[in-house]
Amino acid sequence: GIQVEQSPPDLILQEGANSTLRCNFSDSVNNLQWFHQNPWGQLINLFYIPSGTKQNGRLSATTVATERYSLLYISSSQTTDSGVYFCAVGVTGANSKLTFGKGITLSVRP
Amino acid sequence: GAVVSQHPSWVICKSGTSVKIECRSLDFQATTMFWYRQFPKQSLMLMATSNEGSKATYEQGVEKDKFLINHASLTLSTLTVTSAHPEDSSFYICSAPRTIGDLHFGNGTRLTVT
Repeated sequence: GIQVEQSPPDLILQEGANSTLRCNFSDSVNNLQWFHQNPWGQLINLFYIPSGTKQNGRLSATTVATERYSLLYISSSQTTDSGVYFCAVGVTGANSKLTFGKGITLSVRP
Repeated sequence: GAVVSQHPSWVICKSGTSVKIECRSLDFQATTMFWYRQFPKQSLMLMATSNEGSKATYEQGVEKDKFLINHASLTLSTLTVTSAHPEDSSFYICSAPRTIGDLHFGNGTRLTVT
């Protein structure tokens, strides 16, 4: 099956700093999503981005499908950004089952 | 507010008993829902795809007789962990797509089997 690798596995930032989270995948996909899991376990859909670039406030994401990677940018980080960021991909359609990466644990310190 | 409701949030049960977890889409119809399992500090592993009006599609290695899934209506899917054992203790999460690429998750159920 498809492999999803995320890096770095852990990231510690000072509040206000910027960061880039990376997701590499091993095969062509037609679904790629970024999620944030907060310390209480709740998962929030950040971006549906099988290709191209999107922005939502301090967050933006870019997927270069031909090169099989996606990047999530966090600017001016806040303590509430802490948690685990997952990249997940699907190969059979926009609402297909997803394969998740192992996640990137982000800690933003005040 | 939440668009996918999952209950209970946590449950403690004795070994050998069965536990039912409900996942409801609150303001949309979901012909498909997904059930995941997550161990501490690990990723989400897809257990099965729940299909309204038909049998669930289980991932390889997931025991369908142990993890019973029923998707009897367009807004409700249930996961029943039968004859639970301590190794079934985990965080179970459901999700449902509202529109294309708009996947919503329940808040999860933390199951502890003693």
